[in-house]
Amino acid sequence: GAVVSQHPSWVICKSGTSVKIECRSLDFQATTMFWYRQFPKQSLMLMATSNEGSKATYEQGVEKDKFLINHASLTLSTLTVTSAHPEDSSFYICSAKNSGGAGEQYFGPGTRLTVT
Amino acid sequence: QQQVKQSPQSLIVQKGGIPIINCAYENTAFDYFPWYQQFPGKGPALLIAIRPDVSEKKEGRFTISFNKSAKQFSLHIMDSQPGDSATYFCAATKAAGNKLTFGGGTRVLVKP
Repeated sequence: GAVVSQHPSWVICKSGTSVKIECRSLDFQATTMFWYRQFPKQSLMLMATSNEGSKATYEQGVEKDKFLINHASLTLSTLTVTSAHPEDSSFYICSAKNSGGAGEQYFGPGTRLTVT
Repeated sequence: QQQVKQSPQSLIVQKGGIPIINCAYENTAFDYFPWYQQFPGKGPALLIAIRPDVSEKKEGRFTISFNKSAKQFSLHIMDSQPGDSATYFCAATKAAGNKLTFGGGTRVLVKP
């Protein structure tokens, strides 16, 4: 149980285009999901907290107009990277908080974004 | 400000050895400390977690030791295997399910 999926697993896009990444909790409900980015050989950096039915909370330094987050249901959150640039190339990982149980967080497998 | 400091950055041990990874935190409001294992190109997977009211917790070959007064906690991997070669992250949060603050990570290599 407690599986989180991400789609796509990798994506290549051209500079200036937008890319949407989906995060789904497959067997539990998640009122809260988190989005991280991770550069090679570095730790995870929290970008934003996504709450179902309300606006996301962004960490300091993260542009909310560039990284659009939508959490429209208890099992799906999306991250859209708008007007992507090469410096946005990174590994994007989501996690989902189990609304039941003890509130553990489970991570998705990540999405590798490459902007050319 | 890095609120969770992790050391060492990398570690090499022989099969059967015991890699030890240490973390120190600053925020005394933290009360939930999970450890994650990450393989290249994959998302982190929860290994084991501890709360400050417990000084030690074991799950399989993984043991967490916690020193509340020193604000430090560590992960021991007993009888390490080559399959344990991965990057390990400690983290801390004010409660399970709230946003996590991660340590810098430790790359562990277990040689056959």
